Amino acid sequence: DQQVKQNSPSLSVQEGRISILNCDYTNSMFDYFLWYKKYPAEGPTFLISISSIKDKNEDGRFTVFLNKSAKHLSLHIVPSQPGDSAVYFCAASAWETSGSRLTFGEGTQLTVNP
Amino acid sequence: EAGVVQSPRYKIIEKKQPVAFWCNPISGHNTLYWYRQNLGQGPELLIRYENEEAVDDSQLPKDRFSAERLKGVDSTLKIQPAELGDSAVYLCASSLGRDSEAFFGQGTRLTVV
Repeated sequence: DQQVKQNSPSLSVQEGRISILNCDYTNSMFDYFLWYKKYPAEGPTFLISISSIKDKNEDGRFTVFLNKSAKHLSLHIVPSQPGDSAVYFCAASAWETSGSRLTFGEGTQLTVNP
Repeated sequence: EAGVVQSPRYKIIEKKQPVAFWCNPISGHNTLYWYRQNLGQGPELLIRYENEEAVDDSQLPKDRFSAERLKGVDSTLKIQPAELGDSAVYLCASSLGRDSEAFFGQGTRLTVV
């Protein structure tokens, strides 16, 4: 049972344009969502998070949007830079039912072309 | 400040042999996680500790996997005996707890031959 899904295994964008990475979830108890970035041979690095009481959180070039009714979140990167090329994972937790356990999606490989 | 430290970085063993991984979390982080990541997939939780107590180990294959967290700080994950399907990257992470991001180590890439 895949509770967090990233349906696009890969995404390719031009430098300077917007990258939009999508994530869907099925567990309505999820109340905290995170995005991680992963370079080869390294562990995932935290990027940005959002609580279920919000619908948007922004940090520099990165913005996460949460649509609870659709059980969907997205990560916007603008402008995209070649250094953003990495695998992006969305993750979610449900404090009331499973504490701080993070459930991850399968990841999306982002490639930003110069 | 040092991040989450894992060792070894790489390990190659023959099937049926034992193997152990070590993790030193970020100082002050009470929550420690062990995740397994297979190729092309996201990390999957094996076990989660709150201080020295294992509070979430439902996905740990207990017939061959074991873990401990001594004094609520360092942790070890052991596989005995290893199987070919155990080949994966084993990630350790730590966090402050609720609504806090987890910080990951670089992982240990295990290859079972």
